[in-house]
Amino acid sequence: EAGVVQSPRYKIIEKKQPVAFWCNPISGHNTLYWYRQNLGQGPELLIRYENEEAVDDSQLPKDRFSAERLKGVDSTLKIQPAELGDSAVYLCASSLVLNEQFFGPGTRLTVL
Amino acid sequence: TQLLEQSPQFLSIQEGENLTVYCNSSSVFSSLQWYRQEPGEGPVLLVTVVTGGEVKKLKRLTFQFGDARKDSSLHITAAQPGDTGLYLCAGWGSSNTGKLIFGQGTTLQVKP
Repeated sequence: EAGVVQSPRYKIIEKKQPVAFWCNPISGHNTLYWYRQNLGQGPELLIRYENEEAVDDSQLPKDRFSAERLKGVDSTLKIQPAELGDSAVYLCASSLVLNEQFFGPGTRLTVL
Repeated sequence: TQLLEQSPQFLSIQEGENLTVYCNSSSVFSSLQWYRQEPGEGPVLLVTVVTGGEVKKLKRLTFQFGDARKDSSLHITAAQPGDTGLYLCAGWGSSNTGKLIFGQGTTLQVKP
């Protein structure tokens, strides 16, 4: 069974530029999560989807971050414009049952 | 706000030594999970503990959930270089919001 797929794996951009991350969850997993992980820290939830509905986006900085999950399968997370403090690893996870999340390898974003 | 604090944050030991990582909170969690994350990869679930006082073993790893469900520990016996990584505890809030809260992680280095 294929795991959670994320792309790109690495992205380097200059501040004020836009950037987008893509995630394809495990087939059949209705719940999809986006996390941000700063170096040496634990992941922090940005947004959680149940199918195509965002059920928890309280930690998403909505002035510059946006996300979508059209058709309730894959998802895109966008930052526009990026700031230096956005440098981090962006992790996508999916789950079928509430207490078992499977994480993708993440996208490492560097903002110069 | 429910928080999880891990200690120590960094641990560097020789192969064959034993170690314990602690995960503490002032809040009650309905369950706690332990993940291991290797560089460039997403966290991988090791175990879920649900019942206060529960002990689970995974080969050389022993996980314990505190009686009051506010803390947990991970003990590794005879550490191997392959145990090197970031160990994360994560808890599901007692309010069953579906939000997984991560500790800041413990970076373990096992030297051969």
